Amino acid sequence: DVKVTQSSRYLVKRTGEKVFLECVQDMDHENMFWYRQDPGLGLRLIYFSYDVKMKEKGDIPEGYSVSREKKERFSLILESASTNQTSMYLCASSLPPPGTSGTSSYNEQFFGPGTRLTVL
Amino acid sequence: QKEVEQNSGPLSVPEGAIASLNCTYSDRGSQSFFWYRQYSGKSPELIMSIYSNGDKEDGRFTAQLNKASQYVSLLIRDSQPSDSATYLCADPRMDSSYKLIFGSGTRLLVRP
Repeated sequence: DVKVTQSSRYLVKRTGEKVFLECVQDMDHENMFWYRQDPGLGLRLIYFSYDVKMKEKGDIPEGYSVSREKKERFSLILESASTNQTSMYLCASSLPPPGTSGTSSYNEQFFGPGTRLTVL
Repeated sequence: QKEVEQNSGPLSVPEGAIASLNCTYSDRGSQSFFWYRQYSGKSPELIMSIYSNGDKEDGRFTAQLNKASQYVSLLIRDSQPSDSATYLCADPRMDSSYKLIFGSGTRLLVRP
């Protein structure tokens, strides 16, 4: 089974702090994603990465940065946390594209348990 | 217009009934869809993937993809209270981004 883990289930930080959220997957997936989920707004993509040291902005990258130094680990960084970044943060990883794994499945994203971050 | 649209619900059905969840999409090029189930306070869990037009059955779940009408549905037979959750449909991008375009989700309530 695919396993995606996140460093914390609950986190409380103060405004202005630098916050690190870590995500690790154990299935050798190339693609990794960070989302936030807020009531009424659904899942919104913050950043994604399709290879080590590669990153792409999602729909709401402002106020965030990411790091992918190893294939299995994708970190989300809040440089200076603000109260409007209070949210549920979800990490996901996905299968490689067709032709590289012998499977017809692709782009199926598997999520970690999430980190509920509160910024006071 | 949102790329993937779902009725937010809640959809309320009695235990044992068939629950029908629907999703419409705007991209005529979409080839496949995923259904995720999300319990309150938990992360989304992939429950069905459909890669071609027509029906796909897996236990009590049936996913239906109708490309001509641009909708995808999830039927849950013999609904159980444990099926009460929010169901998200997702459209995988065919480009190199490997992104999923998620609907906002439909909340399902199964009454005992």
